[in-house]
Amino acid sequence: DVKVTQSSRYLVKRTGEKVFLECVQDMDHENMFWYRQDPGLGLRLIYFSYDVKMKEKGDIPEGYSVSREKKERFSLILESASTNQTSMYLCASSLSGQGVETQYFGPGTRLLVL
Amino acid sequence: DQQVKQNSPSLSVQEGRISILNCDYTNSMFDYFLWYKKYPAEGPTFLISISSIKDKNEDGRFTVFLNKSAKHLSLHIVPSQPGDSAVYFCAASEGSRNNDMRFGAGTRLTVKP
Repeated sequence: DVKVTQSSRYLVKRTGEKVFLECVQDMDHENMFWYRQDPGLGLRLIYFSYDVKMKEKGDIPEGYSVSREKKERFSLILESASTNQTSMYLCASSLSGQGVETQYFGPGTRLLVL
Repeated sequence: DQQVKQNSPSLSVQEGRISILNCDYTNSMFDYFLWYKKYPAEGPTFLISISSIKDKNEDGRFTVFLNKSAKHLSLHIVPSQPGDSAVYFCAASEGSRNNDMRFGAGTRLTVKP
């Protein structure tokens, strides 16, 4: 079974703090993704990566950066957290060259920025 | 601008009856469509998909219908079971191997015993 784990289930941070959200997958997947889920908006892609040290912007990259130093780990960084970044963050991974059905999601991190 | 829309935020049906969840899309380049199911405190999991070369795909109690001319797809669950209660997301992509999916806002299905 593919396992995608996220470092925290819940996080509370203050405005202006630097926030790290970690994601680890154990199935040697090349592709990794960060989404945020907001009511009425569904899942929106923030960043994705097709390989180590590679990153591509998604639909809403503003205010975020990412790091992929190892194949299994993909980090989302909020350089200076703001209240509008309060959201559910979902990480996913998938195999290259396979159908989109192979995109497996982690359980999510609910971030509250005060 | 949301390219994939699920206009019903919630749906409630009786156990044993049919559940119909709807999804509309605006991008005519989308040719691969998926439904994901999400339980509380879990990530979304893949449920069923359909390519634009088909108008129907069935997997057990789940059937997805695609109407390309109307840019509309629907998920039918027959018969509905209480364990089907979850949030259902519609997603679309250009090509089945393109990981750049667009998701709808989700519909919360409640199946009452």
